[in-house]
Amino acid sequence: GAVVSQHPSRVICKSGTSVKIECRSLDFQATTMFWYRQFPKKSLMLMATSNEGSKATYEQGVEKDKFLINHASLTLSTLTVTSAHPEDSSFYICSAPDRLYNEQFFGPGTRLTVL
Amino acid sequence: DAKTTQPTSMDCAEGRAANLPCNHSTISGNEYVYWYRQIHSQGPQYIIHGLKNNETNEMASLIITEDRKSSTLILPHATLRDTAVYYCIVRVASWDKLIFGQGTTLQVKP
Repeated sequence: GAVVSQHPSRVICKSGTSVKIECRSLDFQATTMFWYRQFPKKSLMLMATSNEGSKATYEQGVEKDKFLINHASLTLSTLTVTSAHPEDSSFYICSAPDRLYNEQFFGPGTRLTVL
Repeated sequence: DAKTTQPTSMDCAEGRAANLPCNHSTISGNEYVYWYRQIHSQGPQYIIHGLKNNETNEMASLIITEDRKSSTLILPHATLRDTAVYYCIVRVASWDKLIFGQGTTLQVKP
């Protein structure tokens, strides 16, 4: 199947700083990517839909100014957590649909810890 | 909200078949049933999907009832590596966003 990567896999930052997480589709083009967050022992929660060349679509309750999404190319979407606080500590996961396989593939996730 | 209901947890003996049920009584005619699993601290992994016919691949089998209101994922010979949270999701197309419910935590025991 197709491969989706994320970078970094783990990041620790101080409160108030911004953190950028990259999501790449390695062997296919993705005009759409999805961003999820997951708290310990909880299910994945969809945050936003990233659209190449246009603004992201955020789910209800997700602050778009807090979680900046940029989908600058057909293989890269970035999620920037601005002015991070301890409550933003979570596991962030991206996914991308590959129409060749008629399926969606997930990245390995990024563990964010805000001190 | 997720459109499916699954048991919270299940146990299975290693080497035996694991049968994971899912109810999706409000499924629409054009919605597929998808199954994913998530091993601890990893991204979810696609397992299988179907519309109305039973499906089988190298990982699992999917049995969908004739009225399509429920389905069962079958792992024919569960191993310890199959211990994971299994999610049943209904959606129209593979490029649709995925709305995850709580899933079923499958514990495969030696």
